[in-house]
Amino acid sequence: SYELTQPPSVSVSPGQTASITCSGDKLGNKYACWYQQKPGQSPVLVIFQDSRRPSGIPERFSGSNSGNTATLTISGTQAMDEADYYCQAWDSSTVVFGGGTRLTVL
Amino acid sequence: QVQLQESGPGLVKPSETLSLTCTVSGGSIRNYYWSWIRQPPGKGLEWIGYIYYSGSTNYNPSLKSRVTISVDTSKNQFSLKLSSVTAADTAVYFCAREIFRAGGTTVDYFDYWGQGTLVTVSS
Repeated sequence: SYELTQPPSVSVSPGQTASITCSGDKLGNKYACWYQQKPGQSPVLVIFQDSRRPSGIPERFSGSNSGNTATLTISGTQAMDEADYYCQAWDSSTVVFGGGTRLTVL
Repeated sequence: QVQLQESGPGLVKPSETLSLTCTVSGGSIRNYYWSWIRQPPGKGLEWIGYIYYSGSTNYNPSLKSRVTISVDTSKNQFSLKLSSVTAADTAVYFCAREIFRAGGTTVDYFDYWGQGTLVTVSS
């Protein structure tokens, strides 16, 4: 079965750029999307179709997808961005989620 | 603004059937795909399956033998049944609207989520 691999944790200083990767075989040939989940809350879509932002998501969130890796980039990271982030793609008629990355802003 | 709300028992005994309902408000259930996703405590997300408003379904192969998802368009609701549950099925269960468009590159993502409901499997 298809797998998406994310680093368990990423740390970033406030105001700096955070990059979270998601790796999968030929992932660049699929659409990737990203969700933000804060403790006790449901996930929120922050990027879909590799790089599109839903209405209401700040411009500091951006995405790219090429080769075997999709990347979520948060520019000018703020304390409020501290959360778990999950990538997701569609493969062989099933939804696949990455294992999640905890972003710490310190 | 579309809103989703899960409802159902928070405690289920081992070997019994877990049953949850998701009520959609602020929009029609028609013309969309609707999914169930779960998250064991402290762990990641797992897709359970989806149903199209017309009734066609697609399930996660790892759960397919135990899962049934149904829809009631007259009530703007869809439901999940998971049979023969064990402690491993203890999780927060989310319902979500799935945007799905098959094509050269399939578009698939979840744009609206319910708040989630914790279901514990225990005797």
